[in-house]
Amino acid sequence: SQQGEEDPQALSIQEGENATMNCSYKTSINNLQWYRQNSGRGLVHLILIRSNEREKHSGRLRVTLDTSKKSSSLLITASRAADTASYFCATVRTGFQKLVFGTGTRLLVSP
Amino acid sequence: KAGVTQTPRYLIKTRGQQVTLSCSPISGHRSVSWYQQTPGQGLQFLFEYFSETQRNKGNFPGRFSGRQFSNSRSEMNVSTLELGDSALYLCASSPNVQGPYEQYFGPGTRLTVT
Repeated sequence: SQQGEEDPQALSIQEGENATMNCSYKTSINNLQWYRQNSGRGLVHLILIRSNEREKHSGRLRVTLDTSKKSSSLLITASRAADTASYFCATVRTGFQKLVFGTGTRLLVSP
Repeated sequence: KAGVTQTPRYLIKTRGQQVTLSCSPISGHRSVSWYQQTPGQGLQFLFEYFSETQRNKGNFPGRFSGRQFSNSRSEMNVSTLELGDSALYLCASSPNVQGPYEQYFGPGTRLTVT
């Protein structure tokens, strides 16, 4: 079963706008990761945030983690058409060695 | 380094048959995980192998099995295929012996069961 629920399920924006996706999970975690998937292909790792971190940046990506609320957000700034993809959060539960994926957010960035 | 490779990329099988999918991890990665992705269930963890031993297993029936060889290459087998086994099967490798368990995915094998 999936641990993470992502919101929104789909997001449509214009190039240059920011995109924010949210992820909620149920159990205590070791870390939370975000992945991107282009149209039925393999997933690409974007960023990892550990349970003792609150915010992390990588290029145009900003991830926050609130362990008290069991939630995370992914912000993509100045979106480009090439950012069009599905984005998944995935958690590693404390004491476990496997990723549990969320339901994903489909992002469409129009030129 | 070359990325994770999966073969075949596409496969069409008939209900009741069996299928074997192959995955070659990134050189030096000893952990290989398998996932099933369907529109209805999303991304579901199948199992993970590390140094030829199954280390973690998801909630799939015994028809789904896997193995890992000494060179870290992995195979997964599905016996007595059902229509519901139609899915994208993704393999991922990781360099981590223990966490944080960042994974590198292959392009997937698209299995269609008719």
